[in-house]
Amino acid sequence: GAVVSQHPSWVICKSGTSVKIECRSLDFQATTMFWYRQFPKQSLMLMATSNEGSKATYEQGVEKDKFLINHASLTLSTLTVTSAHPEDSSFYICSARVRTSRNTGELFFGEGSRLTVL
Amino acid sequence: SQQGEEDPQALSIQEGENATMNCSYKTSINNLQWYRQNSGRGLVHLILIRSNEREKHSGRLRVTLDTSKKSSSLLITASRAADTASYFCATVNTGGFKTIFGAGTRLFVKA
Repeated sequence: GAVVSQHPSWVICKSGTSVKIECRSLDFQATTMFWYRQFPKQSLMLMATSNEGSKATYEQGVEKDKFLINHASLTLSTLTVTSAHPEDSSFYICSARVRTSRNTGELFFGEGSRLTVL
Repeated sequence: SQQGEEDPQALSIQEGENATMNCSYKTSINNLQWYRQNSGRGLVHLILIRSNEREKHSGRLRVTLDTSKKSSSLLITASRAADTASYFCATVNTGGFKTIFGAGTRLFVKA
């Protein structure tokens, strides 16, 4: 099956610093990746849709200057949490669709990155 | 915004029993999917049912879809302790592209 690798799996940083999370599709090309945020015991909230070679599409209420998304290649999307604050602490998960599943909608997920901002 | 509601929010059963989780959604959909998430991990796709299908099976999983009621159910038969996880339904809107997740059901299977 399609494999999505997400790194780092966990990170602790000081308030005010920026943190970059990488999402890679290992055995397929992903023209589109999705970034989700998940609070403890809650569902996934779609933050943005990352499109290769173009600007990301952000969901309402998500600050694009706060959460910078770059999709520089068909296998890599990055999420940078800029000037992180404790309220940004969360579980961030990326996902991608295989091109052949474009019409089915099946998503393949990374293992998630737990961010803790002190 | 999330469009799916799931019930129950939490379910605790004995190993060997069946577990049923329900999901409701609000808009027209292209398909509905169920995912599983172990604590602190990513999600794993379980099964997809298209809007023109009413029932689908995969191993111990049985999914139903009622588009008139905008609802779906996931049945796990003969549950095992290893089935302990959170289960989410997710929908892709008709003509849409984004996958939106329901609130999830936390299943605990006691050995």
